[in-house]
Amino acid sequence: TQLLEQSPQFLSIQEGENLTVYCNSSSVFSSLQWYRQEPGEGPVLLVTVVTGGEVKKLKRLTFQFGDARKDSSLHITAAQPGDTGLYLCAGPNSGAGSYQLTFGKGTKLSVIP
Amino acid sequence: NAGVMQNPRHLVRRRGQEARLRCSPMKGHSHVYWYRQLPEEGLKFMVYLQKENIIDESGMPKERFSAEFPKEGPSILRIQQVVRGDSAAYFCASSRSGANVLTFGAGSRLTVL
Repeated sequence: TQLLEQSPQFLSIQEGENLTVYCNSSSVFSSLQWYRQEPGEGPVLLVTVVTGGEVKKLKRLTFQFGDARKDSSLHITAAQPGDTGLYLCAGPNSGAGSYQLTFGKGTKLSVIP
Repeated sequence: NAGVMQNPRHLVRRRGQEARLRCSPMKGHSHVYWYRQLPEEGLKFMVYLQKENIIDESGMPKERFSAEFPKEGPSILRIQQVVRGDSAAYFCASSRSGANVLTFGAGSRLTVL
């Protein structure tokens, strides 16, 4: 069973600060996805990383896929209240059931104005 | 272009009643997935359907739960004789193909009294 561990579980920071959240596994994933979920809504895909060592930027968000494709990080620069939400990482199961996504439990981020 | 539409958004049932959750995929998407999110837990895969076919129901409890995606109309997740442990947010996602680019709906939140 492939598991994804996310840390920290909760993070509360002041507006303007930088932060990094992590997604780790003992298993290799062919790709990893990051989602943001706001209260009462469904997850919204932010990015997919595919290649080991890949770095992708989305405005103030920087996503990195580990060289061994077992971990990923999300760095937010100058956080804003609009960044508040639950950040989830997910990866496809290996083998025949690759359409199944395994999700981490998420990092709940609060950005205080 | 409407996204994935789920209804009802909130549903309250007493123990022993039936819950029916509906999902209309995005236009042009023929693959539907149901995930369940328990409080403080990550999303867990339940079932994967294409029109008139259940492709993989390995994540769905064997008893009381069933899913369908008929030729016409929305996909339906049906929970019979609900128990308190069924209280959760149920998310539907759709994709154009069996690849992992999923669009999630806003979820249906089931509360069992």
